[in-house]
Amino acid sequence: DAGVIQSPRHEVTEMGQEVTLRCKPISGHNSLFWYRQTMMRGLELLIYFNNNVPIDDSGMPEDRFSAKMPNASFSTLKIQPSEPRDSAVYFCASSRRREGWETQYFGPGTRLLVL
Amino acid sequence: AQSVTQPDIHITVSEGASLELRCNYSYGATPYLFWYVQSPGQGLQLLLKYFSGDTLVQGIKGFEAEFKRSQSSFNLRKPSVHWSDAAEYFCAVGPSNFGNEKLTFGTGTRLTIIP
Repeated sequence: DAGVIQSPRHEVTEMGQEVTLRCKPISGHNSLFWYRQTMMRGLELLIYFNNNVPIDDSGMPEDRFSAKMPNASFSTLKIQPSEPRDSAVYFCASSRRREGWETQYFGPGTRLLVL
Repeated sequence: AQSVTQPDIHITVSEGASLELRCNYSYGATPYLFWYVQSPGQGLQLLLKYFSGDTLVQGIKGFEAEFKRSQSSFNLRKPSVHWSDAAEYFCAVGPSNFGNEKLTFGTGTRLTIIP
C-alpha cells in the first residue's frame, strides 16, 4: 500500500515566484495535515482538513499561504509570492479519523529553497 | 494551550548502551502522547502512542515509553541501541477531547550512536 505521496521532493525558486506543493494522502484516510519544519521553529502544523473541509488553519503564517483539498485524494499548499524565509521542509500527513485518535502518517516531505 | 518540552537537543550513546530521551508536556487534562522518529531526509514515523490504560507503552523497534502523570513526563527508552537508531526523535501531544486533531511537537532530540 502506497504511503503519503508528496511532490516535488525538492523545489528551488526565486523570491516572488509562486510555489505549489502537492500531496496525495493514503487511500481511505479522511484527515490531511500540512506541517512545516525549520531549524528555528521546529515542526509546526499549518492547516488540517477533515473530509476535505479545512478545520484548523490557525498555523498558516500569512495570506501568502493558501491550501486546498478539492477531493479526498489530493491537496495543494500554495505560496504566492514566495520569500526566502519560507525555505523549509513541508510535510503532508494523513490519518483515518474515526471515533478517536488515529495515527498520522507522514509523507517524505518537500524541501523548499527560496533564493 | 498544550506544549511539549524536550530538554535534550543532542544525545550521544554507545552502541549497545541503554537510552532514555526525555519529554515533558503541559496540558490541562490527560493528553494523548506520541513519539515519532525521523531519519535523515525522511518523514516522521510513529514509534508509539499513549491514550489510556497501562502507563508503560511498547512500540516498534524495541522502544518503550512510560507516562508519569505526577511528573508530566513521557520518556522514551530502549535497553540496547543499535547504530540504525541514529535519528531525530520527536515527542508530541494531542488534546484528549479529540475536538481538534492538532498535534503539538517538541523541538526534537538528535541521537548519535558511536561504535
